[in-house]
Amino acid sequence: DAGVTQSPTHLIKTRGQQVTLRCSPKSGHDTVSWYQQALGQGPQFIFQYYEEEERQRGNFPDRFSGHQFPNYSSELNVNALLLGDSALYLCASSLGGVRETQYFGPGTRLLVL
Amino acid sequence: GENVEQHPSTLSVQEGDSAVIKCTYSDSASNYFPWYKQELGKGPQLIIDIRSNVGEKKDQRIAVTLNKTAKHFSLHITETQPEDSAVYFCAASSYGGATNKLIFGTGTLLAVQP
Repeated sequence: DAGVTQSPTHLIKTRGQQVTLRCSPKSGHDTVSWYQQALGQGPQFIFQYYEEEERQRGNFPDRFSGHQFPNYSSELNVNALLLGDSALYLCASSLGGVRETQYFGPGTRLLVL
Repeated sequence: GENVEQHPSTLSVQEGDSAVIKCTYSDSASNYFPWYKQELGKGPQLIIDIRSNVGEKKDQRIAVTLNKTAKHFSLHITETQPEDSAVYFCAASSYGGATNKLIFGTGTLLAVQP
């Protein structure tokens, strides 16, 4: 049973560029949440996708956007990258939108220079 | 706003001793409290969770307690082993509504000395 997978594992970008991160949920899961984890901090909620729609959004600017595909996989896009966007980006999957247990992927480490 | 405080930030114990990590949450609507273990370079791994209708839950060497009145919940690890060394995060969520976002604490670095 495949767990949550994310790609790429690492990424280096420069300020002002755009980045797309990808996530495939755990088999059978239909809900994907994205979190940002700065070094030495706990993950912070960015947004959640269910039935291809953004259901809730955390305190992140519009530069952060996402998408969920019919196969439940998801993308996180960040435009106009800032140095402060450097972090580990985590994807978590869960079932049914209202089930609470979230399983995390290994993350994508983004470095903005 | 929603907030989860976690203490201590670092914890060093001898192998075989017990470790306790404590969290406090602010949102009284929270009803689900998972604990995650994160090893270096990896994503958080769920190790145990508890729902608001239960006061205590145990899984082998790991137990979690919840005091809803005080808005406190704690992780207890007994007979610690070197492989328990990692960063542990508590989180709170109010599932059952429109979403189930997790609010995380700031983490506890647990070091188990052999």
